[in-house]
Amino acid sequence: RKEVEQDPGPFNVPEGATVAFNCTYSNSASQSFFWYRQDCRKEPKLLMSVYSSGNEDGRFTAQLNRASQYISLLIRDSKLSDSATYLCAVITRGSQGNLIFGKGTKLSVKP
Amino acid sequence: DTEVTQTPKHLVMGMTNKKSLKCEQHMGHRAMYWYKQKAKKPPELMFVYSYEKLSINESVPSRFSPECPNSSLLNLHLHALQPEDSALYLCASSQEMREGYEQYFGPGTRLTVT
Repeated sequence: RKEVEQDPGPFNVPEGATVAFNCTYSNSASQSFFWYRQDCRKEPKLLMSVYSSGNEDGRFTAQLNRASQYISLLIRDSKLSDSATYLCAVITRGSQGNLIFGKGTKLSVKP
Repeated sequence: DTEVTQTPKHLVMGMTNKKSLKCEQHMGHRAMYWYKQKAKKPPELMFVYSYEKLSINESVPSRFSPECPNSSLLNLHLHALQPEDSALYLCASSQEMREGYEQYFGPGTRLTVT
């Protein structure tokens, strides 16, 4: 079983839709959780860290469920500019900062 | 705009060449990382430096040689690479080298080995 798993998509949604991505992790020692966004042929850009209490940044909401070992990202009122690949990433306790990424979920927002 | 810069943006090199990738961060971070990303795959960790000391080498072949001249700079020296080493090489930095600290990536160097 892969350490971090995501649905690869693609998710094709109309503008204004709400879309949710899930990501599961297998190592219960995972301590830190992140969502990154990566545009084609660009670097991953940090979207948000994910905290146990959940966190929101504008149209984006991230949740962490430690009991079920998954994190989620909700995008409301999606824009054309949200089209990208969304990568979840975890750092395990004692791993010295090794970010383990999922394979990413591709989102296409259509007019 | 990223505060992690990388040069060059693109690099084409032959299998007998020696080249270097450079990374600089302007955030006062004490941990710096090299990741490798192949097409349609997620980034994978190669090396971690913490306080200018090598902390992790993820079983990377010796044809890749990292160097951290100071806390702001990170180099990756390349020698006798193979075509399968063609990839996007990403540098990242974080305040500290452990969980809980966010990593910020530079724009990457797209390397092609011919």
